[in-house]
Amino acid sequence: KAGVTQTPRYLIKTRGQQVTLSCSPISGHRSVSWYQQTPGQGLQFLFEYFSETQRNKGNFPGRFSGRQFSNSRSEMNVSTLELGDSALYLCASGGDSTDTQYFGPGTRLTVL
Amino acid sequence: GENVEQHPSTLSVQEGDSAVIKCTYSDSASNYFPWYKQELGKGPQLIIDIRSNVGEKKDQRIAVTLNKTAKHFSLHITETQPEDSAVYFCAASWGGGSNYKLTFGKGTLLTVNP
Repeated sequence: KAGVTQTPRYLIKTRGQQVTLSCSPISGHRSVSWYQQTPGQGLQFLFEYFSETQRNKGNFPGRFSGRQFSNSRSEMNVSTLELGDSALYLCASGGDSTDTQYFGPGTRLTVL
Repeated sequence: GENVEQHPSTLSVQEGDSAVIKCTYSDSASNYFPWYKQELGKGPQLIIDIRSNVGEKKDQRIAVTLNKTAKHFSLHITETQPEDSAVYFCAASWGGGSNYKLTFGKGTLLTVNP
């Protein structure tokens, strides 16, 4: 089975721009979660989607949003980028009725 | 909300020695405790997990123990090898398959010296 894939792997943006990141979960998995990883704050939960519905949400501002498509692929969007949004954005895939999550390689976002 | 504390933040051992990383959690409702290994430039890789109805779980050189009363769990790596060098994260969650929000510790940088 193919693992979790994330595109692009690297992004450089400037303040004020917006960005869209994509995640394809493991085949058959319907849950996709997003996490932000920074040296200072560590790994922080952004939100989780299951069958196209947001099921859980972390404590991030409304500039961070996401969606999930019928094929379980998910995208997250960050609008009006700030320097502090520079981070590794990780996507995790989970199967039904299990807590186990598998992470992708991440998208490294740099905001200049 | 849940809070997970992880210690130590760095750990250096000689090849062949054992390594122990400890975590405590605050929410007594948490019932799932995974451990992840993250190598440079990669995403976290699940290495072992334990659920609240189990006290200990082993997988070759890796073991995890859970003390629900004290709300702490530990990762034990025996016969460490240089390829075990990485950052290790503990995490906690609850929900029995309907809650995928993991709360992570800050991580432990493990260095195994040849």
